[in-house]
Amino acid sequence: GAGVSQSPSNKVTEKGKDVELRCDPISGHTALYWYRQSLGQGLEFLIYFQGNSAPDKSGLPSDRFSAERTGGSVSTLTIQRTQQEDSAVYLCASSPHAAGYNEQFFGPGTRLTVL
Amino acid sequence: KNQVEQSPQSLIILEGKNCTLQCNYTVSPFSNLRWYKQDTGRGPVSLTIMTFSENTKSNGRYTATLDADTKQSSLHITASQLSDSASYICVVSAYSGGGADGLTFGKGTHLIIQP
Repeated sequence: GAGVSQSPSNKVTEKGKDVELRCDPISGHTALYWYRQSLGQGLEFLIYFQGNSAPDKSGLPSDRFSAERTGGSVSTLTIQRTQQEDSAVYLCASSPHAAGYNEQFFGPGTRLTVL
Repeated sequence: KNQVEQSPQSLIILEGKNCTLQCNYTVSPFSNLRWYKQDTGRGPVSLTIMTFSENTKSNGRYTATLDADTKQSSLHITASQLSDSASYICVVSAYSGGGADGLTFGKGTHLIIQP
């Protein structure tokens, strides 16, 4: 079956512009995660959705970052007034339930470059 | 604070040779430990998962070990192939959940296999 998909695969934007990144999780997966991976760094947790519960936003680095998940499926990560330090690969993952023992299935990522 | 430390940061070996990657963690209460492989430009893919009671798990040429007493894990790759060139990420899960659903990621070991 289809895995996790993300779009766009690459995004180049100018400093100060807003961007939207999209994640289509595996059908039926209730848990969805967004991570940021900067060059040479590990995965940095951003936000976590689990079913109908309030999302865990504890990893969002600033109020310029927000995310929503509509209908318990597709998720959009929005970065407002982008800065050069936002340049990174943004990875989305989904899991059948809360990750715990369940494997996270990752998408290919969106590479964001802020000029 | 929960932490996962991986070593070495990077490693270069010749094709056909074996290698061992290390992961030390201070995650409590420990639930499980997973090793992921991340090819360049792709999302991470799970290789193995081990719970507290398991001390070894194999997946083809990959063998992971876990010492829950010393809080150390290793990933051994036998008879390396060019396709093993990737980053290997250690992820530890805590029972109590919390931010990022209780997951703590290491920064990964970047492995290069040379012909």
